[in-house]
Amino acid sequence: AQTVTQSQPEMSVQEAETVTLSCTYDTSENNYYLFWYKQPPSRQMILVIRQEAYKQQNATENRFSVNFQKAAKSFSLKISDSQLGDTAMYFCAFMIYTGANSKLTFGKGITLSVRP
Amino acid sequence: DTAVSQTPKYLVTQMGNDKSIKCEQNLGHDTMYWYKQDSKKFLKIMFSYNNKELIINETVPNRFSPKSPDKAHLNLHINSLELGDSAVYFCASRSMISYEQYFGPGTRLTVT
Repeated sequence: AQTVTQSQPEMSVQEAETVTLSCTYDTSENNYYLFWYKQPPSRQMILVIRQEAYKQQNATENRFSVNFQKAAKSFSLKISDSQLGDTAMYFCAFMIYTGANSKLTFGKGITLSVRP
Repeated sequence: DTAVSQTPKYLVTQMGNDKSIKCEQNLGHDTMYWYKQDSKKFLKIMFSYNNKELIINETVPNRFSPKSPDKAHLNLHINSLELGDSAVYFCASRSMISYEQYFGPGTRLTVT
């Protein structure tokens, strides 16, 4: 069974600073996908960034980037130039792509607060 | 134009009642899901359907019965509601050729 661990329950960062959210996972599979989802107070689940395990290059989406360490099974999210709108819960998620059987396994989430 | 929609957004009901939550997606996706987010914000998959066929059933009590009348709709019916059913229920959809899931806005169910 796959597991996703987010060991930090909450973090705080000053506006315009950089923050890194940690995530580790456990799997015996070689081909899989990793995601970071953002859930603001509106509770909408928003995909922030995704990483294919077969790609060595770390994914980047504007101010968001990941540090994907496949051997260490680590997938951290870096948010640069933090903005007040980044205040939300962030969930790390894992998926083995098996066609119709594919499903997301989530970590417990981390609450990020951006201070003005 | 909303991609994945759910109704209702809020649902307050008493123990023992039966209720349904509806989900519709206009993305042309083949696979739809129900996830449950508990009071500690933990998200866990409940069911998935592919082209109206049940694919995943994650040991959910049989009081929960999903139904997919067509591949654009996936409804969740809950019988004999219990206090522990209080949660946010998310619908999601995915194309068969993609790994990305799109989530609905969630339905907050409160059982009193």
